[in-house]
Amino acid sequence: DTAVSQTPKYLVTQMGNDKSIKCEQNLGHDTMYWYKQDSKKFLKIMFSYNNKELIINETVPNRFSPKSPDKAHLNLHINSLELGDSAVYFCASSQATRPGSGEKLFFGSGTQLSVL
Amino acid sequence: DAKTTQPNSMESNEEEPVHLPCNHSTISGTDYIHWYRQLPSQGPEYVIHGLTSNVNNRMASLAIAEDRKSSTLILHRATLRDAAVYYCILAGGTSYGKLTFGQGTILTVHP
Repeated sequence: DTAVSQTPKYLVTQMGNDKSIKCEQNLGHDTMYWYKQDSKKFLKIMFSYNNKELIINETVPNRFSPKSPDKAHLNLHINSLELGDSAVYFCASSQATRPGSGEKLFFGSGTQLSVL
Repeated sequence: DAKTTQPNSMESNEEEPVHLPCNHSTISGTDYIHWYRQLPSQGPEYVIHGLTSNVNNRMASLAIAEDRKSSTLILHRATLRDAAVYYCILAGGTSYGKLTFGQGTILTVHP
């Protein structure tokens, strides 16, 4: 079983559309994340949820809205897609029970979003 | 966030040891040193992390300088599957898994 799985793997859509990416982890972790890898391959954190509560929101446009229905799922909804949103989006999870505990993250295989 | 400096690229031959350096002169006392790698078309994969002492696991070893201003990831016998981008990351303090990835080191392994 894949530990952190995200769907779809590829997403091609038009500007202005609304789309969602789903993520599920079966590791029993308390914390989940969304990271974005741009065309220059830089990976940056977008959001983090701990036990369904938003704890990190890194200056992301409010067109991006994460939703955590339970601690095993963290979905990313994007409204009014723009060309600049094209990137690879990675979901991750960790058993982080307190800040700075040196926890290790488990990443999914990514969703490549292409906005035309 | 404390920054790390890594060489852009390194090369190795298969079955030889590889030492990947990382400088982090502004590391704080609560920062852990993490190493992740990213194989082509995959998500980052945890390799190892440590705070002060050297660490070993089945994938690699982490050697941390006494002043903690630098560290070295050691792959004892490189294989072709180890070809990846290796990231040295400092994380700790108030972070909840907030990893700040730099450019990393592209490791090429020759057969």
